[in-house]
Amino acid sequence: KQEVTQIPAALSVPEGENLVLNCSFTDSAIYNLQWFRQDPGKGLTSLLLIQSSQREQTSGRLNASLDKSSGRSTLYIAASQPGDSATYLCAVSLDSNYQLIWGAGTKLIIKP
Amino acid sequence: GAGVSQSPSNKVTEKGKDVELRCDPISGHTALYWYRQSLGQGLEFLIYFQGNSAPDKSGLPSDRFSAERTGGSVSTLTIQRTQQEDSAVYLCASSLSWGADYGYTFGSGTRLTVV
Repeated sequence: KQEVTQIPAALSVPEGENLVLNCSFTDSAIYNLQWFRQDPGKGLTSLLLIQSSQREQTSGRLNASLDKSSGRSTLYIAASQPGDSATYLCAVSLDSNYQLIWGAGTKLIIKP
Repeated sequence: GAGVSQSPSNKVTEKGKDVELRCDPISGHTALYWYRQSLGQGLEFLIYFQGNSAPDKSGLPSDRFSAERTGGSVSTLTIQRTQQEDSAVYLCASSLSWGADYGYTFGSGTRLTVV
């Protein structure tokens, strides 16, 4: 059974720092992996999607990497800003299955 | 509309009552998903609708839960005889065909509290 784990559960850093959020999964047979952002009282916003054949994806200050063999993905946020404060969720899609298996998220606080 | 709309945004109900949660997907999106997010937990898949195909109900936690999608558009998730463990945020998402390829758009969710 696929399980997705995110560490740490919460992270607080000063504005301007670069940071890394971690996501691990137990079964390497994934179709793709996605990172989402969740703001309080709002829905989920898709940030980056990495297909299983890819190693990384970049969007602005965000860079997501994928290492299928080790069952790990990282989300790198450069030059963090207070507006980056949110809960970040990773989710994997399984082969031939549209369901997303989710981590519990990392709550990120960027201090001004 | 421009996004996925869910209503109500908040619902407080007494244990044992029935509740209906509504999801209005993006026009033209054939796929619709319901997920549940309990406090401190990852999202849990509930049900998936794709076009006119029979829905995948494999994630529904009990027979108290049911969902329908009328006319391939609006979906209603019904919880009968609510229990306190049903308290959670219920999220709806829609996508063009298979979301894994096309990406998902989520609504803001319905926060259900059973007292």
